[in-house]
Amino acid sequence: NAGVIQTPRHKVTGKGQEATLWCEPISGHSAVFWYRQTIVQGLEFLTYFRNQAPIDDSGMPKERFSAQMPNQSHSTLKIQSTQPQDSAVYLCASSSAGGALEQYFGPGTRLTVL
Amino acid sequence: AQSVTQPDARVTVSEGASLQLRCKYSYSGTPYLFWYVQYPRQGLQLLLKYYSGDPVVQGVNGFEAEFSKSNSSFHLRKASVHWSDSAVYFCVLSANSGGSNYKLTFGKGTLLTVTP
Repeated sequence: NAGVIQTPRHKVTGKGQEATLWCEPISGHSAVFWYRQTIVQGLEFLTYFRNQAPIDDSGMPKERFSAQMPNQSHSTLKIQSTQPQDSAVYLCASSSAGGALEQYFGPGTRLTVL
Repeated sequence: AQSVTQPDARVTVSEGASLQLRCKYSYSGTPYLFWYVQYPRQGLQLLLKYYSGDPVVQGVNGFEAEFSKSNSSFHLRKASVHWSDSAVYFCVLSANSGGSNYKLTFGKGTLLTVTP
């Protein structure tokens, strides 16, 4: 079991550029979550997919952020026109079906916007 | 709305000493509680979880936690710490949201430093 895989581990973008972050959940897990971690705000929920369907995106900034899960093996978080305040560690987590509550986290992608 | 408070941002203990990391939560419903640990440049790893039943739950690497409904607390303990326990520890609450206990609320974390 390779665990949750996130790529890239580090990404540096210039202000105004686009950033796409990838997440591969644990095989067999049907739920995928995205979180953002900063020193100031701590860990914040962004969005949640179950069986590839978007269930809750209440934590996503209304502009420039979008997430997709085109198949059961990967999810993407896209940030358009990145701004310095988007700099953070973006964590992906997955959990199994059947009401299991434990979420298993990937190592995160550290995004730096210059 | 729910919240989790970890009152100690930093804790330093000597190797071999006992440890308690404090966690208080605020939630009107039935809390599902977790402790996660984050080592440098890594993701969060689940230490232990509490859903119901025995208020003392055992986790990995000798960690345990005690749930107290009356005190709204879920403190983490370890009898004897090792230098490799140095990390950031997060107390986490899972609350009912739309009928599914999936949305996690995190404390700010406690940085544990174990000195030789």
